[in-house]
Amino acid sequence: DTEVTQTPKHLVMGMTNKKSLKCEQHMGHRAMYWYKQKAKKPPELMFVYSYEKLSINESVPSRFSPECPNSSLLNLHLHALQPEDSALYLCASSQEGLNSYEQYFGPGTRLTVT
Amino acid sequence: QKEVEQDPGPLSVPEGAIVSLNCTYSNSAFQYFMWYRQYSRKGPELLMYTYSSGNKEDGRFTAQVDKSSKYISLFIRDSQPSDSATYLCAMPSGGGADGLTFGKGTHLIIQP
Repeated sequence: DTEVTQTPKHLVMGMTNKKSLKCEQHMGHRAMYWYKQKAKKPPELMFVYSYEKLSINESVPSRFSPECPNSSLLNLHLHALQPEDSALYLCASSQEGLNSYEQYFGPGTRLTVT
Repeated sequence: QKEVEQDPGPLSVPEGAIVSLNCTYSNSAFQYFMWYRQYSRKGPELLMYTYSSGNKEDGRFTAQVDKSSKYISLFIRDSQPSDSATYLCAMPSGGGADGLTFGKGTHLIIQP
């Protein structure tokens, strides 16, 4: 099973709302990632969690707040977003170490900020 | 200079043709090379990965790496309309779980 699930599939939120994106994997992977993908652009790395600890934050604004409650779950908390934050948010997971390049992506959450 | 260069296309070919998709990279430290396929409004799907130079074959797909030229290719034989998608090359940004650096992606259209 190489499935990464993400909820919700679509999300529309106002600039004053607080919402959360959820990601789950049951492959025993210990590294999890958040990427942001704008239309017709490649995914861009936002955060990396390794063994439930934040290891990389690619200078992402504080209105995005990641959380890794356990080795299978990854959340992205959203607050006071801007319209330019509208994008496809992708979660991925991989093993740690040399096999970390085999990243498996979820279907994404399509976020629209109004 | 961007670390990974990829022609965004679109690339349109007739069904049954051999497709060649390419990327160049500038960081000689890259050792692993991945190809992802992304259908419209879906997440990227890992197609193939290679390590070091040479060819790797999986069904109709062949991945090729030329480290001396910093050039990687993905060949698709007997292309089908269902192969129409965006193909992204990707390389690990560093050691361990450092995330991936993607090319822009090539939009491929297979005409029936």
